[in-house]
Amino acid sequence: NAGVTQTPKFQVLKTGQSMTLQCAQDMNHEYMSWYRQDPGMGLRLIHYSVGAGITDQGEVPNGYNVSRSTTEDFPLRLLSAAPSQTSVYFCASRTPGSPLHFGNGTRLTVT
Amino acid sequence: GENVEQHPSTLSVQEGDSAVIKCTYSDSASNYFPWYKQELGKGPQLIIDIRSNVGEKKDQRIAVTLNKTAKHFSLHITETQPEDSAVYFCAATITGANSKLTFGKGITLSVRP
Repeated sequence: NAGVTQTPKFQVLKTGQSMTLQCAQDMNHEYMSWYRQDPGMGLRLIHYSVGAGITDQGEVPNGYNVSRSTTEDFPLRLLSAAPSQTSVYFCASRTPGSPLHFGNGTRLTVT
Repeated sequence: GENVEQHPSTLSVQEGDSAVIKCTYSDSASNYFPWYKQELGKGPQLIIDIRSNVGEKKDQRIAVTLNKTAKHFSLHITETQPEDSAVYFCAATITGANSKLTFGKGITLSVRP
């Protein structure tokens, strides 16, 4: 099993550009989530999904969209990137009663 | 909602010494408390966790203790080694299909050779 795979590893965007951060897991986990990590702020939940077709907002959802059309994939979309979205983004998944498994992150810089 | 506080933000110890990292939580209904280790350039990885029906759990050189009355839990690392240098996150949640982990801000542990 590859676990949780995130692409790309690094990305630079200009303000106003859009992009999609990809996340895929091969563990048949029902629950998937996106976190952002900023210095001194820890890990903050952006959006999460408890199964295909179901998504909900976390602590810091503004500026981000998600969809969950399959169990395996949970992409995170930035429709109009802003410098405040410069961060490291982590996707994580789990099955009920099990710990979160994290990917290795996407480092995004918005100039 | 849940609030998890983690102090201090940095900790430096001599190799071979013990390290203790403390966290407090606000929601008395929280019943699951994992600890994650994050190495440079990687995602957080679970190293140990504890549920509210247990006061202490050990796994080789690491242990976690939970004080439900005071709403705090601690990570203990004995005989520290340079490879223990990393960022450590504590978290808390109420378990369930929709449960969302709330993380502390993380502590950077440095083990001096």
